[in-house]
Amino acid sequence: DTGVSQDPRHKITKRGQNVTFRCDPISEHNRLYWYRQTLGQGPEFLTYFQNEAQLEKSRLLSDRFSAERPKGSFSTLEIQRTEQGDSAMYLCASSHAGVEQYFGPGTRLTVT
Amino acid sequence: DQQVKQNSPSLSVQEGRISILNCDYTNSMFDYFLWYKKYPAEGPTFLISISSIKDKNEDGRFTVFLNKSAKHLSLHIVPSQPGDSAVYFCAASPRRSGGSNYKLTFGKGTLLTVNP
Repeated sequence: DTGVSQDPRHKITKRGQNVTFRCDPISEHNRLYWYRQTLGQGPEFLTYFQNEAQLEKSRLLSDRFSAERPKGSFSTLEIQRTEQGDSAMYLCASSHAGVEQYFGPGTRLTVT
Repeated sequence: DQQVKQNSPSLSVQEGRISILNCDYTNSMFDYFLWYKKYPAEGPTFLISISSIKDKNEDGRFTVFLNKSAKHLSLHIVPSQPGDSAVYFCAASPRRSGGSNYKLTFGKGTLLTVNP
């Protein structure tokens, strides 16, 4: 299967710790998106890459968050000094040229 | 401010009948609309989309209708099957606003339950 994969699927961390998530998009997709979903809400846009360039960041992405896509393939999302409010599902999606985005299974973060 | 609204948190239908899920939007810049289905502990799965130049798009049991003047779209599932039970998200994108970022704005979702 060549869908979008994310690792880890679940992460439990203590407040103040740093965490990093990885996303591997569909191989021919040059566009990559990160979203965050909290309980009872739809996914909310965080950031967008075209190839290795990060072209847009949401205001939701505080300076504790950083995302990279070093070679235009996989991407990482790091959260420094985690807070309880960071607990959410972090979703990665990729696309080629169209609007339709294909999502990975997500990483569920729990900050205790 | 919710730019994409799904006002029905849940919907229950009988197997074989039609399911109609509704979505309203407020941002006039949105010109491409999508429906996603989501099972628990999985990411959203793309179902069907429609461009603002059309008013209907059909794919098998799924049909999306767009009423631009009312800023309203709906997803029809006929016939509904128990496996369709999931949360359905409406999403919108400002595709023609320039650039390549087709970021999606989602509604809060509607939980569809199809009873056997």
